[in-house]
Amino acid sequence: DGGITQSPKYLFRKEGQNVTLSCEQNLNHDAMYWYRQDPGQGLRLIYYSQIVNDFQKGDIAEGYSVSREKKESFPLTVTSAQKNPTAFYLCASSIQRMAKNIQYFGAGTRLSVL
Amino acid sequence: AQKVTQAQTEISVVEKEDVTLDCVYETRDTTYYLFWYKQPPSGELVFLIRRNSFDEQNEISGRYSWNFQKSTSSFNFTITASQVVDSAVYFCALSEYSGGGADGLTFGKGTHLIIQP
Repeated sequence: DGGITQSPKYLFRKEGQNVTLSCEQNLNHDAMYWYRQDPGQGLRLIYYSQIVNDFQKGDIAEGYSVSREKKESFPLTVTSAQKNPTAFYLCASSIQRMAKNIQYFGAGTRLSVL
Repeated sequence: AQKVTQAQTEISVVEKEDVTLDCVYETRDTTYYLFWYKQPPSGELVFLIRRNSFDEQNEISGRYSWNFQKSTSSFNFTITASQVVDSAVYFCALSEYSGGGADGLTFGKGTHLIIQP
């Protein structure tokens, strides 16, 4: 089945630790996105990528980093500089980075701080 | 800058009642796209509908219907004869053409819909 796979489903981070969230898609989509969701809030854009080896900051990129070495993969690293990382992280993809294109989402990763 | 407001934080109705979820948006673009997503307890966002700013026709899909009114900048979502399986958080979102989707989707804060048996 085509879709977006995020792993792990739950992740715990210790103080000062970097952690990486995985996002893989087999939809042959060019554009990929990372969003953060806090309780009772909408989703906010962290980073997006429209093509391999290219990515751009979203509204809340501080404390996060990404890479796009393969079309199918767009991992997100939550660095120790992110002081409030506890949230639900959602990865999405669309055919291309265009306003009209539907974004399809993975099942999310829930990150907590130990 | 664009903005989406979902004023209803939580709605609770009894099964089989009709319910309307409100969405009001702000944008300076004349070309834009509006979306509704459903987020069940599992967490994954499920796409429901997309509407572009030039198409004000209402849409019906089974028990779901959408009312788009540019005059009031609203894109409301109605569920007819609600069912327990409709319980979820529903998000309205906006994408502006001029940004080329560069800003991703701008989401409202969501409405938590509870359908009681």
